[in-house]
This record gives sequence, structure tokens and C-alpha cells, in this order.
Amino acid sequence: AQTVTQSQPEMSVQEAETVTLSCTYDTSESDYYLFWYKQPPSRQMILVIRQEAYKQQNATENRFSVNFQKAAKSFSLKISDSQLGDAAMYFCAYRRDDKIIFGKGTRLHILP
Amino acid sequence: DSGVTQTPKHLITATGQRVTLRCSPRSGDLSVYWYQQSLDQGLQFLIQYYNGEERAKGNILERFSAQQFPDLHSELNLSSLELGDSALYFCASSVGSEIETQYFGPGTRLLVL
Repeated sequence: AQTVTQSQPEMSVQEAETVTLSCTYDTSESDYYLFWYKQPPSRQMILVIRQEAYKQQNATENRFSVNFQKAAKSFSLKISDSQLGDAAMYFCAYRRDDKIIFGKGTRLHILP
Repeated sequence: DSGVTQTPKHLITATGQRVTLRCSPRSGDLSVYWYQQSLDQGLQFLIQYYNGEERAKGNILERFSAQQFPDLHSELNLSSLELGDSALYFCASSVGSEIETQYFGPGTRLLVL
């Protein structure tokens, strides 16, 4: 069965610094999609970035980028130039067909 | 504002009762997804509808059911409620049925006493 693991329940980073959130997953499929979602205190779920497994190039969205290591089944999120508004829960998610699985989340604190 | 609306925002009910949660997707979106977020189980995918038809099923209990109406709004029915059903229930919508960006609603917080 597919699983998604976020091994860091909480992390802190100084404002303007860079932080990397880890995510590993387990699947026997070769074609799937991976996502990072952000959930700020408002509880709204916001898509941060997504990656198609068949693409070797790492996805990037402004200050957010991923390090996708397919063989290692690793999908980490790098946030550059951290801002106070980045403080939130971050969820890693896997999707293939009818399987949509979320990790338990990492709470990110931004220190001013 | 994602454009996805959910009602009610909060719901308090008793064990054994039945409730209905409502979701209106963004204009033009054909897919609706339902998720449950609880403290111990995290975020769980329940079910997806696409243009009125059930498309994918996750960890949805038999006591729960959903449907999508011709106007594309969706309802999630929760019956024989238990204390453990207390959670935040999210609806999300997307244009198509696959991996397009899902836009989440603000959620309905259900408390079962």
C-alpha cells in the first residue's frame, strides 16, 4: 500500500533563511503525482507545488522548489528567503488514480 | 478566497444523529473532492465526484455517503455519528478529474458530543 511519511513534525527557521521539509513515500507505481500543500492558521489548504513523476526536472514556484529523487522515493520542499507568511502546516501528498494520500504534516515556524 | 464554498462553517450535534455538509465548487469546475481532517488520522481523502458520477473512493465509511447534483454542488451525508467523527471536513474542486490543481474550501468543523 502507498504511504507518505513526513519525519519532521515541527521545524523552525529564521526569517530570510532557507529551510527544507522532508517527505518520503512508498509506491510500486512508476507514474504518479506528488504535491506540497500549505495550511496556514486559517485552515485553508493551498497548493504550493506539484511534481509529475515522469518529469525529471524539479518543479519550482518562485521561492518554493522541490528535490525529487524518484529512485529514493523522496520529495523534499525547499523554501528560500523564508517569510513570516510562510508559517503554516505543510503536507506532502501522493496521487495516482483513486489513491490520494497525505502525510501527517510538518509545522513550520518562522522566527523574526 | 478559493471560490469554493462550504456550509455550514460549524456544526455541533449528538452521537447517533445525521448531518449533511454542502459544497459548491468553483465556477467551471466539474470535480468535487471530500476530505476529513482529524487530529489523530491527519488528512484523509474520502471520495471524488466528477460531473455527477463517483470517480474515486478513499477511506469513506459506510455510514457516510455523498452525491453530486446536476448543478455540480455536492453534499456529504454523515449518519449514526460517533464521537470519532468530530473533525474538519474539507471540500475541494478542480476543473477535470485527474491531477489539476485542487482548490479547497474553508471547511466545515463538526463536533459530535
